[in-house]
Amino acid sequence: NAGVTQTPKFQVLKTGQSMTLQCAQDMNHEYMSWYRQDPGMGLRLIHYSVGAGITDQGEVPNGYNVSRSTTEDFPLRLLSAAPSQTSVYFCASSFGGAFSPLHFGNGTRLTVT
Amino acid sequence: AQKITQTQPGMFVQEKEAVTLDCTYDTSDQSYGLFWYKQPSSGEMIFLIYQGSYDEQNATEGRYSLNFQKARKSANLVISASQLGDSAMYFCAMREGRREKLTFGTGTRLTIIP
Repeated sequence: NAGVTQTPKFQVLKTGQSMTLQCAQDMNHEYMSWYRQDPGMGLRLIHYSVGAGITDQGEVPNGYNVSRSTTEDFPLRLLSAAPSQTSVYFCASSFGGAFSPLHFGNGTRLTVT
Repeated sequence: AQKITQTQPGMFVQEKEAVTLDCTYDTSDQSYGLFWYKQPSSGEMIFLIYQGSYDEQNATEGRYSLNFQKARKSANLVISASQLGDSAMYFCAMREGRREKLTFGTGTRLTIIP
């Protein structure tokens, strides 16, 4: 009964390094998304996907890439890390439509020095 | 314009009292869902309760109820008989039918006092 699995839980990067945050779900959800959470700003949508092969930008997409080659996986790539990307990142998934709640992973705390 | 507004950054409530967390929303869609999430200090996001735009009855889940006033565009969370374990951040969120994206408010930090 894994739900949404995010790895790693913690990561420290130097400015300019790249990395991939992994996200996998086993609930056969069509919809997957990435959020970042910063103090006082709630959760802001980075990228989302409504199905395999389909991705779109959210509120704050700059500096991040995503792809969705399978229904289960939705990795988030940081191309060249910047201190402004220090944040807590959440992956979430759901069935499609307005009436389904999102199920969240446990988050990744990323620090960029 | 803000889609979800939570006007109470922080609240302190005595244990066993009821508490209402405010949430107003803005949408022109007819189909939308309203959600409340709890984030304890451990950091995970816990889904609490949901209300659909076409639902005529207020949603309830145990001690949680959602006071849905469609004409006022408000979706307040009511927690009855508060407990120390209710201390957490609470986020209101909306999902619009056309866009599917879930938009969050900035949250309310609730502290229950023994």
